[in-house]
Parts: sequence; C-alpha cells; structure tokens
Amino acid sequence: GDSVTQMEGPVTLSEEAFLTINCTYTATGYPSLFWYVQYPGEGLQLLLKATKADDKGSNKGFEATYRKETTSFHLEKGSVQVSDSAVYFCALNQAGTALIFGKGTTLSVSS
Amino acid sequence: DAGVTQSPTHLIKTRGQQVTLRCSPKSGHDTVSWYQQALGQGPQFIFQYYEEEERQRGNFPDRFSGHQFPNYSSELNVNALLLGDSALYLCASSDYDRGREGYGYTFGSGTRLTVV
Repeated sequence: GDSVTQMEGPVTLSEEAFLTINCTYTATGYPSLFWYVQYPGEGLQLLLKATKADDKGSNKGFEATYRKETTSFHLEKGSVQVSDSAVYFCALNQAGTALIFGKGTTLSVSS
Repeated sequence: DAGVTQSPTHLIKTRGQQVTLRCSPKSGHDTVSWYQQALGQGPQFIFQYYEEEERQRGNFPDRFSGHQFPNYSSELNVNALLLGDSALYLCASSDYDRGREGYGYTFGSGTRLTVV
C-alpha cells in the first residue's frame, strides 16, 4: 500500500540555519503531497501542498517540490527561526481519501 | 470563518468504558475524517464520512464507530476502552479545492483521550 518515509529526528539547528527535512513516498498513480506542522498541544496546520509532478508548494519561507522521478517531497527553508520549532509531517493522499502520514520530524531551533 | 471544532478538548475515561467525541467541520466542507495520533507518532486514519455514509475505513477494530449528521458534523464512538486507546484524536474536514485542483483538509485541535 501507499506509504510515506521521512527522516528521523530530532533536527537541532541554530537560528538562521538552512533546513532540509527529507520525505520520500511509495504510491500508485499520482498522489497529492502535503507538509503539515504541529505545534505543542495543537492540531495539524497545513504548511504547503503540491498536486502534480514538478509542482512547488511554498508558504512562510518553506518550500517543497514534487519530484516524481525520485518519489520525493523534501521540505526546505533558507533561514529558520526559533518560532519554527515544531513537529513536521509529510503526507500523501489519493483523490480525497485518507491522508497517509509519515512518523514526523521534530525540529528544534535555538537562538 | 470558523475552522474545525472538536469537543471535548480533554477527557479521562476508565478502561472498559465508552466514549463519544464530536466534530463540527469547517463551513462549506462536506467530508469528515478521523485520525488517531499516539504520542510521538504520526496520525493514523480511522475512517471517513461523506453524505452520512462511511466511505473509507482504516485498520481499526469495530470498537471504533462513527456517524455523520445531515449538517455534516460527526461523532466518533469508541467502546470497551483499552489503555492503548489513549491518544490525541483529530478530526479533519475536507472539500475539493477547485483553484488548486486538489483536496483541501482542515484539522481541528483534537481531543486528548486518556484511558486509566
């Protein structure tokens, strides 16, 4: 079945450092891909998404490109802030059915 | 515009009891999905409701059941609670985002269930 694998955390960075969180997927067809962020004690917030190959999703300085040839959707940000500290989830979906999530990557940014 | 509303926010139940969690979807959304998120894990899909019918179900036992009402709100019921049912239960509502040619999902803040 479909699945998502994302890099293990935690990821610890200093403020203004470059961030990459790797995400690869296994799926039949052409899924939509998502990044969600979860702050402590809260639900999930959509960070960005892409619905077809070579699409680039972007939001709040974060970017991810849908790479079908490598089945990847890596999350990047050029300069992280302390406020970016959270858990990040990569997910996929086929035609409005269940979202399938990775296990999450904890990001901790220090000043 | 109110997003997804879940109630209650926290709940403590005893093993063997039954629990009902509630979800009101975002305005304009007609599909509701439920997820279980154990501590330190990614959310796991329980089931999805559309037009008051269960459209898709994940790998959860029959102790987990649900309902969707004509106003699209939904309930998640769990019978015979086990300690392992302790988790954050998330509700997500969705619709088809015509502008981006994809489905948009909005999550609630969740219900934290503790089984003792």
